[in-house]
Amino acid sequence: GNSVTQMEGPVTLSEEAFLTINCTYTATGYPSLFWYVQYPGEGLQLLLKATKADDKGSNKGFEATYRKETTSFHLEKGSVQVSDSAVYFCALTLKDSNYQLIWGAGTKLIIKP
Amino acid sequence: EAGVTQFPSHSVIEKGQTVTLRCDPISGHDNLYWYRRVMGKEIKFLLHFVKESKQDESGMPNNRFLAERTGGTYSTLKVQPAELEDSGVYFCASSQVGGETQYFGPGTRLLVL
Repeated sequence: GNSVTQMEGPVTLSEEAFLTINCTYTATGYPSLFWYVQYPGEGLQLLLKATKADDKGSNKGFEATYRKETTSFHLEKGSVQVSDSAVYFCALTLKDSNYQLIWGAGTKLIIKP
Repeated sequence: EAGVTQFPSHSVIEKGQTVTLRCDPISGHDNLYWYRRVMGKEIKFLLHFVKESKQDESGMPNNRFLAERTGGTYSTLKVQPAELEDSGVYFCASSQVGGETQYFGPGTRLLVL
C-alpha cells in the first residue's frame, strides 16, 4: 500500500543550526509529495511541494527534492530560527486516489535560542 | 479570499453525546476532504466530497460518523454517539477541480470525556 515514513521527534536544535527531517515513501504510481507545517495553535499550512522526480520545492528557506531512486523527500533548511518551531508533516497524493493525502506521523521541531 | 473555516474550534462533550462539526471550504472549491488526527498519531483521511456527492468515504471509522455536504457548499460531520476514542483534531480541506493542493482549515479539537 501507499505510505509515508518520517523521522520521529522531537528534534531539538539551536538557532542557526542546519535542519534535516527525513521522509521516505512507498507508493504505487507516481505521487506528488508535500510538506505541511503546523505552528502552535494553528492549522495545517502547505510549506512546499514537488510533483515529479528531481523537482525541488522551496519556501521560507526550506527545500526538499523529490528523489525517485531513493523514494525520499527530505526537508532541509540551512539556518533555523526560533519561529520555525512547529510540527512538520510529510505527505503524498496520487491522482488515482482522488488526491487523498497520505501522511507521515509528523515531526515536532523545537528551536532553542 | 477567505480561507477554509471550521466551527467550533474546540468542543468538549461527554461520552454518548452528539457533536456536529462544520467546515466551510474556499468559495468555488468543489473538492472537500475531512481528516483527523487522533491521540498524536498520524493524520488519517476520513472522506472526500466532490460538490455534494461523496466520492470516497473509505476512511470513515464506523457508522457513528455521518458527513453531509448539502448543496455542495459547507459540510458537516456528525458523531453520534461520541466515544472516548473519537477525541482528536478534525481537519477539513478543500481544493479546486483537478487540483492536488489542498488548503486546510484550523481544525476542530474534540475531547470526549
